[in-house]
Amino acid sequence: EPEVTQTPSHQVTQMGQEVILRCVPISNHLYFYWYRQILGQKVEFLVSFYNNEISEKSEIFDDQFSVERPDGSNFTLKIRSTKLEDSAMYFCASSGGRLNQPQHFGDGTRLSIL
Amino acid sequence: QKEVEQNSGPLSVPEGAIASLNCTYSDRGSQSFFWYRQYSGKSPELIMSIYSNGDKEDGRFTAQLNKASQYVSLLIRDSQPSDSATYLCAVNGRGNEKLTFGTGTRLTIIP
Repeated sequence: EPEVTQTPSHQVTQMGQEVILRCVPISNHLYFYWYRQILGQKVEFLVSFYNNEISEKSEIFDDQFSVERPDGSNFTLKIRSTKLEDSAMYFCASSGGRLNQPQHFGDGTRLSIL
Repeated sequence: QKEVEQNSGPLSVPEGAIASLNCTYSDRGSQSFFWYRQYSGKSPELIMSIYSNGDKEDGRFTAQLNKASQYVSLLIRDSQPSDSATYLCAVNGRGNEKLTFGTGTRLTIIP
């Protein structure tokens, strides 16, 4: 069964450094998402992406965050100047449609900011 | 104001019994409803989706939706120890692509 893949599985970074989290969505999906889950808290929406542009973003997704689809397969989340509070699990998801379509999640990247 | 509410549990159910998980949501215009299972330290795994009022069955799982009461539930029949996990209710709001998640209900199946 097709799946969303994410790399790396764990990223440790010094505060203030830039990180790029990578995702390969399911191949025939057109809608891509990033979510995060701080330890012990609920899953929170960050951003959705369709047709090479952001279609929706949350208040968490401020200027330090950006997303890109650099080629036909990868979807990336960049955090420009990391803060301690960015430590979380980051999940990429994809879906075949905008509404009434389930989103399938990758295994996540655990981001630890020191 | 919370948008998707779940009882955090823990909910303990004997093996072989029916586990009942509940979720309420605040946006009356919500259109799509999902149940995800999340094992500790793992990612959400889609269990069920439901889009219209009534019941939807898939194997041991039944999702129930009542839009008038803004309520969605998940029943797990013949509960197995491997069903022990946190169950997340997720909702697409009115015209939104984003999923809004509840805090999850931790389910423990007792052998």
